[in-house]
Amino acid sequence: GAGVSQSPRYKVAKRGQDVALRCDPISGHVSLFWYQQALGQGPEFLTYFQNEAQLDKSGLPSDRFFAERPEGSVSTLKIQRTQQEDSAVYLCASSFRTGGNTEAFFGQGTRLTVV
Amino acid sequence: AQRVTQPEKLLSVFKGAPVELKCNYSYSGSPELFWYVQYSRQRLQLLLRHISRESIKGFTADLNKGETSFHLKKPFAQEEDSAMYYCALKVGSEKLVFGKGTKLTVNP
Repeated sequence: GAGVSQSPRYKVAKRGQDVALRCDPISGHVSLFWYQQALGQGPEFLTYFQNEAQLDKSGLPSDRFFAERPEGSVSTLKIQRTQQEDSAVYLCASSFRTGGNTEAFFGQGTRLTVV
Repeated sequence: AQRVTQPEKLLSVFKGAPVELKCNYSYSGSPELFWYVQYSRQRLQLLLRHISRESIKGFTADLNKGETSFHLKKPFAQEEDSAMYYCALKVGSEKLVFGKGTKLTVNP
């Protein structure tokens, strides 16, 4: 079966441009997460959805970052007016259910470079 | 505040030697800890979790609450173990806090 799919795999944006990153979770997975991974760092939490509800957005670095999951499946992370410090790999992960002892499955990530 | 520390950025061992990747955490709640691995050009994947107390690919990790540690160990390293290893702490009911990772290289 297909795993978590992210597109595009690579994105180069000019500073000030808006970008949209897509995540297709594993079918039937309730939970969906976005993480940001800067070069040489571990992934850092951005936001979390349970079905279509965004339950935690405490990790979004600024109001330029916005995420949605309107039908409880595909999710989009949007970054407005991109800046150089937004350059990173954006990882999406999904898990079957909420609560403890559940494995999060990660996508390949989208590498965003802001020039 | 919750934090995961992996003190070694790089670790190099020879094939057949024991390997230990260190992980320390800071968390006021009951910790749930994981090790994730990322092989070259592959996605991040779960290696093991402390709740399961399992051995995966010869790796084990024991949660030591007194030392707030969750070190990953393997008695005899193999070349295919070369990868990035991330220790992670589950916070609340869902989100993961990751360490910065340790790059393990197993030399022939």
